[in-house]
Amino acid sequence: EDQVTQSPEALRLQEGESSSLNCSYTVSGLRGLFWYRQDPGKGPEFLFTLYSAGEEKEKERLKATLTKKESFLHITAPKPEDSATYLCAVGDPDSSYKLIFGSGTRLLVRP
Amino acid sequence: SAVISQKPSRDICQRGTSLTIQCQVDSQVTMMFWYRQQPGQSLTLIATANQGSEATYESGFVIDKFPISRPNLTFSTLTVSNMSPEDSSIYLCSALDREDSGANVLTFGAGSRLTVL
Repeated sequence: EDQVTQSPEALRLQEGESSSLNCSYTVSGLRGLFWYRQDPGKGPEFLFTLYSAGEEKEKERLKATLTKKESFLHITAPKPEDSATYLCAVGDPDSSYKLIFGSGTRLLVRP
Repeated sequence: SAVISQKPSRDICQRGTSLTIQCQVDSQVTMMFWYRQQPGQSLTLIATANQGSEATYESGFVIDKFPISRPNLTFSTLTVSNMSPEDSSIYLCSALDREDSGANVLTFGAGSRLTVL
């Protein structure tokens, strides 16, 4: 069964304290791994897409990496405004457009 | 990227009633989708809204409970019928979009939070 698991469920950091979020997946054929950010009361906002093992993408304090079985979202020197839920999703092997989502990691960055 | 507007943003409904959620995209898009996000859970795809034809439903979701319309390339509606408290959730509209690199991504609306009493 295709599955996406995110850990930890929740993470509290002090401002400036770097850390990583994990997304592990089991799919028969990866059609892309996606990271989204979701703020309370809002829809998910696209961050990154990764397609092959070894690929990396960066945006401000965020860096996403991909291996054959998992992806990491590294947050360097986070700020309170980085507080949000981070969602990971993989492309459904049976469809070009469907996504299978994990349950997310709730990140709280304290000043 | 496309901008998606949903309404209502939230509503409180009585058991047994139905509610229609509207989704408007600011540009023509080939594919639109409806997701459900239950408290503390991941997003689950309800159906793909097909323009000019019946929606394609995922396992566990049926047309009688979640009728969907898509009259054109910028608009779709989702109706939650004969609601029960178990239908309390956030319903999200999304559209197939393109990121700067040209790759396909899903863009989401802000969601409609339904509470059924």
